[in-house]
Amino acid sequence: EVQLVESGGGLVQPGGSLRLSCAASGFTFSSYWMHWVRQGPGKGLVWVSHINSDGSSTSYADSVKGRFTISRDNAKNTLYLQMNSLRAEDTAVYYCARDLWLQPTGWFDPWGQGTLVTVSS
Amino acid sequence: DIQMTQSPSSLSASVGDRVTITCRASQSIGSSLNWYQQKPGKAPKLLIYAASSLQSGVPLRFSGSGSGTDFTLTISSLQPEDFATYYCQQSDSIPYTFGQGTKLEIK
Repeated sequence: EVQLVESGGGLVQPGGSLRLSCAASGFTFSSYWMHWVRQGPGKGLVWVSHINSDGSSTSYADSVKGRFTISRDNAKNTLYLQMNSLRAEDTAVYYCARDLWLQPTGWFDPWGQGTLVTVSS
Repeated sequence: DIQMTQSPSSLSASVGDRVTITCRASQSIGSSLNWYQQKPGKAPKLLIYAASSLQSGVPLRFSGSGSGTDFTLTISSLQPEDFATYYCQQSDSIPYTFGQGTKLEIK
């Protein structure tokens, strides 16, 4: 069964840092582009970042560029999101998602269950 | 960035109804339009990709159409499990962007 499981969320003060992880199983992780998407409380979905299959290429939303870093460890089948200089507006459930096909499509399936990040003093 | 606008923002309907949700892109995106369903407390689920392709396992009552800037998601006969929030998303260019969502409620 294809599965994505996020972890690492929690409460952090403004200006703080947090690293999210997404453990993948049931598919050849090293062959797929991966994404982070977030959803603020009661709000819609916002794409945050993606990374190609070997980790050599990344992209970010303007709202997180320079503060967040996406990475992956294909030996551990794990995707990461390092979040620095966190702001209240970064408060959200963070989902990892896989690209549907082997080539980059921007079609997100499957998704993990999400991990909640709360930025507050 | 490409802006995605859905209408309506909310919709009340009954089991068995035919429902249509629309999504408009701020510029032409060809057929690079996807639809997701999200239930409360759950992750989104891909329903339709590339405007009209049904994702594996998704019931045939769901269909998508459109190209360029105007797209529709149609549910031919609403079932109780279809009451959820629906999002469109463009995959034409980075940053990928979503519509604001359409909440489908039971009448």
